[in-house]
Amino acid sequence: DQQVKQNSPSLSVQEGRISILNCDYTNSMFDYFLWYKKYPAEGPTFLISISSIKDKNEDGRFTVFLNKSAKHLSLHIVPSQPGDSAVYFCAASALIGSGGGADGLTFGKGTHLIIQP
Amino acid sequence: DSGVTQTPKHLITATGQRVTLRCSPRSGDLSVYWYQQSLDQGLQFLIHYYNGEERAKGNILERFSAQQFPDLHSELNLSSLELGDSALYFCASTRDGNYGYTFGSGTRLTVV
Repeated sequence: DQQVKQNSPSLSVQEGRISILNCDYTNSMFDYFLWYKKYPAEGPTFLISISSIKDKNEDGRFTVFLNKSAKHLSLHIVPSQPGDSAVYFCAASALIGSGGGADGLTFGKGTHLIIQP
Repeated sequence: DSGVTQTPKHLITATGQRVTLRCSPRSGDLSVYWYQQSLDQGLQFLIHYYNGEERAKGNILERFSAQQFPDLHSELNLSSLELGDSALYFCASTRDGNYGYTFGSGTRLTVV
């Protein structure tokens, strides 16, 4: 039973345009959400996070939107750059219910973003 | 270099064998998390140690065990290996259990 779903295994976007990566979750206890980026042969690196008390968080070219009623979040990258080509993982946690993060994160399967020149 | 060191990077072993994966966390980080990534799967949480003590278990098989030593490095022990255990194993560390996880580059285990 997948509690975090990334339904697009891959996404191709032209350089300079907006990339939108989507993520859905089913567990209503999740209250903290994160995006990680992964290059081949490297571990995931943290990109941006959002708490359930917010609906938007921005960091430079990256913005995460959270729609709690729809149990949906999205990552927007504007403008997209060649170095953004990577696999992006959405992750979630029931932070309050897990003693502040003890229980680890639930990850989606990832979306492979390809930025075309 | 993320500051989290995992060894070995690659490991090939036969079914039924036992292996040990090692993780040295980033300096000052007290928490170590282990994750497994099988083919075309997301990362699955295995186990979390904080300052030498087990804090939480996820989808960890009974054949697998882990520990965190006084110098804070951690080892993941996988025994009676099966073909299905072939995967990437990542460890991640944080200072206090918050989510600024820093991941290592992983150990790729192949069971033949």
